[in-house]
Amino acid sequence: EAGVAQSPRYKIIEKRQSVAFWCNPISGHATLYWYQQILGQGPKLLIQFQNNGVVDDSQLPKDRFSAERLKGVDSTLKIQPAKLEDSAVYLCASSLDLSRGHSYEQYFGPGTRLTVT
Amino acid sequence: GDSVTQMEGPVTLSEEAFLTINCTYTATGYPSLFWYVQYPGEGLQLLLKATKADDKGSNKGFEATYRKETTSFHLEKGSVQVSDSAVYFCALTGTYKYIFGTGTRLKVLA
Repeated sequence: EAGVAQSPRYKIIEKRQSVAFWCNPISGHATLYWYQQILGQGPKLLIQFQNNGVVDDSQLPKDRFSAERLKGVDSTLKIQPAKLEDSAVYLCASSLDLSRGHSYEQYFGPGTRLTVT
Repeated sequence: GDSVTQMEGPVTLSEEAFLTINCTYTATGYPSLFWYVQYPGEGLQLLLKATKADDKGSNKGFEATYRKETTSFHLEKGSVQVSDSAVYFCALTGTYKYIFGTGTRLKVLA
């Protein structure tokens, strides 16, 4: 079984530039998550999709971050314009439909390390 | 709302020492409880889980028991190895969402 794929693995941009991250979840996983993990901290949920609908985006800075999940499969997270404090690792994860069972584990991708200079 | 509290790290142990990482939770209903591990430069991966009270999850020598009376899910291992050095996250699922703790860094010295 293929895991969660993310690209790119690393990205360096200047502040005020834009950047996009891509995630391909495990086949058949209805729920997709984007997390921001700042060095030394736990993952912070940015947005959670159920198929192609948004379940939770309460911690997504909507003035600069956007995300979509077209056709309920792949997802893209965008930052525009980036700030210095956006430097972090962006993790994508997927799971089976949490609304059908709360014991489902999340499968994480390797993450994208973003550095904003 | 639902929450998870983990002991702060870092935890530094010698090889073959006994490990305990404390985790307590607050949740409505009956959540599932998880421990995830993150090795350097990698994403998180599931270490073990328990889905109901008194369940014991175990994997790779690690164990944790779902204690509803004390709302705890402490992670234990009888003899740690250098390869166990990582960050450990306690988590629960509630109301269709995952809640993660802040993580505990473990460093095992040879």
